[in-house]
Amino acid sequence: AQRVTQPEKLLSVFKGAPVELKCNYSYSGSPELFWYVQYSRQRLQLLLRHISRESIKGFTADLNKGETSFHLKKPFAQEEDSAMYYCALRGTGFQKLVFGTGTRLLVSP
Amino acid sequence: NAGVTQTPKFQVLKTGQSMTLQCAQDMNHEYMSWYRQDPGMGLRLIHYSVGAGITDQGEVPNGYNVSRSTTEDFPLRLLSAAPSQTSVYFCASSYVGQGTGFGDGYTFGSGTRLTVV
Repeated sequence: AQRVTQPEKLLSVFKGAPVELKCNYSYSGSPELFWYVQYSRQRLQLLLRHISRESIKGFTADLNKGETSFHLKKPFAQEEDSAMYYCALRGTGFQKLVFGTGTRLLVSP
Repeated sequence: NAGVTQTPKFQVLKTGQSMTLQCAQDMNHEYMSWYRQDPGMGLRLIHYSVGAGITDQGEVPNGYNVSRSTTEDFPLRLLSAAPSQTSVYFCASSYVGQGTGFGDGYTFGSGTRLTVV
């Protein structure tokens, strides 16, 4: 079974502070991991996928197979980073995307 | 290039009414799917399709029907609406066996906000 866990419902930081949004997964095979961002009442947008290794808006994430984690990081948070962030997993040979419950990031001035 | 288009954007239904949420994509994606988004529960997969004529159930399929007669369209039907189906519904599509580029991921529609009273 595929499962994604985001333990924090809300993460509140000040502008300029480092950010780490946690994501842990459960999957017996080799997963593909994604991070999606949803700004207020908008559609989900792809932020990062580990297989392409591209960094979007200053965010990075490293797949740690030993710890089954894919934490999202940014060294200096900006107010415009305030949004809902979802971690998602796609299993090998499968097409469907499984999401975590999301973490709301609030960046205060 | 419109991407994934969902209609309507908002809908209010009375309990027991039926309706169809529309989803259309113009990217020739084989894979299409429907999610519902509820506070504290993230996005849960309702139904998905890997091509015309092929559909399968996701995590929360009860109360919903789908069909896929064309590559472009993947409508979601609520047979007899219930207050528990009040949610925001998102449609998403992608190529089957996605490429490795950043742009080869799933594309989401803008959502349908449904209220059942």
